[in-house]
Amino acid sequence: DAGVTQSPTHLIKTRGQQVTLRCSPKSGHDTVSWYQQALGQGPQFIFQYYEEEERQRGNFPDRFSGHQFPNYSSELNVNALLLGDSALYLCASSLGQTDTQYFGPGTRLTVL
Amino acid sequence: GDSVTQMEGPVTLSEEAFLTINCTYTATGYPSLFWYVQYPGEGLQLLLKATKADDKGSNKGFEATYRKETTSFHLEKGSVQVSDSAVYFCALSPSGYSTLTFGKGTMLLVSP
Repeated sequence: DAGVTQSPTHLIKTRGQQVTLRCSPKSGHDTVSWYQQALGQGPQFIFQYYEEEERQRGNFPDRFSGHQFPNYSSELNVNALLLGDSALYLCASSLGQTDTQYFGPGTRLTVL
Repeated sequence: GDSVTQMEGPVTLSEEAFLTINCTYTATGYPSLFWYVQYPGEGLQLLLKATKADDKGSNKGFEATYRKETTSFHLEKGSVQVSDSAVYFCALSPSGYSTLTFGKGTMLLVSP
């Protein structure tokens, strides 16, 4: 049973660029959430997708956007990258919007 | 808004010592409570959870009891191993939702 997978593992970008991160949910799950984890901090909720729509959003600017595909996989897009966007980006999946979330290994984004 | 407070680390113990990591929360209603563990360079793994007052979550020798009266969910283990060295995160999700609010994490270092 495949767990949550994310790609790429690591990514290096420069300020002002745009980045796309990808996530495939655990088999049988239909809801995907994204979190940002800065170094030494707990993860912060970015947004959640269910039925291809953004259902909930945390306190993140519009530079952060996402998409969910019919196969439940998801993308996180960040525009106009800032140095402060450097973090581990975690994807979590669940069955519906109320079930326990299971996390992927994350994508480490470095902005230079 | 919702928040989670954990004891600061690192917590340094010798193998076979007793572990307690304190966690308190602020939330309206009846949230679900979780402990996640993060090993170096990896994503988050669900360790245990409790969904209502007085529930005890347990897994791999770790336990935590949902205490509504003290708004706490302290993590305990009777005898730690070197392999338990990791960062432990306490988290909550509001009733009816799966999105998580995390504490800042507590690093546990176990020496032989």
